[in-house]
Amino acid sequence: TQLLEQSPQFLSIQEGENLTVYCNSSSVFSSLQWYRQEPGEGPVLLVTVVTGGEVKKLKRLTFQFGDARKDSSLHITAAQPGDTGLYLCAGLYNFNKFYFGSGTKLNVKP
Amino acid sequence: KAGVTQTPRYLIKTRGQQVTLSCSPISGHRSVSWYQQTPGQGLQFLFEYFSETQRNKGNFPGRFSGRQFSNSRSEMNVSTLELGDSALYLCASSCRQGLEFQPQHFGDGTRLSIL
Repeated sequence: TQLLEQSPQFLSIQEGENLTVYCNSSSVFSSLQWYRQEPGEGPVLLVTVVTGGEVKKLKRLTFQFGDARKDSSLHITAAQPGDTGLYLCAGLYNFNKFYFGSGTKLNVKP
Repeated sequence: KAGVTQTPRYLIKTRGQQVTLSCSPISGHRSVSWYQQTPGQGLQFLFEYFSETQRNKGNFPGRFSGRQFSNSRSEMNVSTLELGDSALYLCASSCRQGLEFQPQHFGDGTRLSIL
């Protein structure tokens, strides 16, 4: 059983479409991070959210941390082929250990 | 600034053998964490080392061990390899101090295949 559940597991969309990826848990996290991983490489940090209700924007990507710090979402506007990759959320539990979600594999078709 | 370096990138072993993987963190980072990534289980935390001491441990059997040297470089060892140990092993470093957990920077991993 994963501490963090990500959905959807797979997403295949056309260039220009919008999408949202969810990261949910019944546990409270000290902070939450989102990563993108491309084949043959390690995950690369996109953002860290710390405060409940916090919203951060990174160009076309919008990240939100739930008010209760149990969930998070990643919204991509006007997706591009360069957004293709595995998106991972990771929650810091008890300021001690990171737990990763199972990941969302995104494919953006030109 | 050089990133996290993991060696080797690829490794093929047979059941019963042992293997040692190496990780050189970003200069100045004292925390090194190890993860196992498989298609079925995703990223699973193995352990974290800080200033040569193991600070946290995941739920892996004792066949998985690690250590950290005074220059913060870390090694991970897996003994009596099993087929299920085939995975991408990732190392991440951060400048964590106390409870302040700074962002992790990952290496590109070692792909371990067990025949």
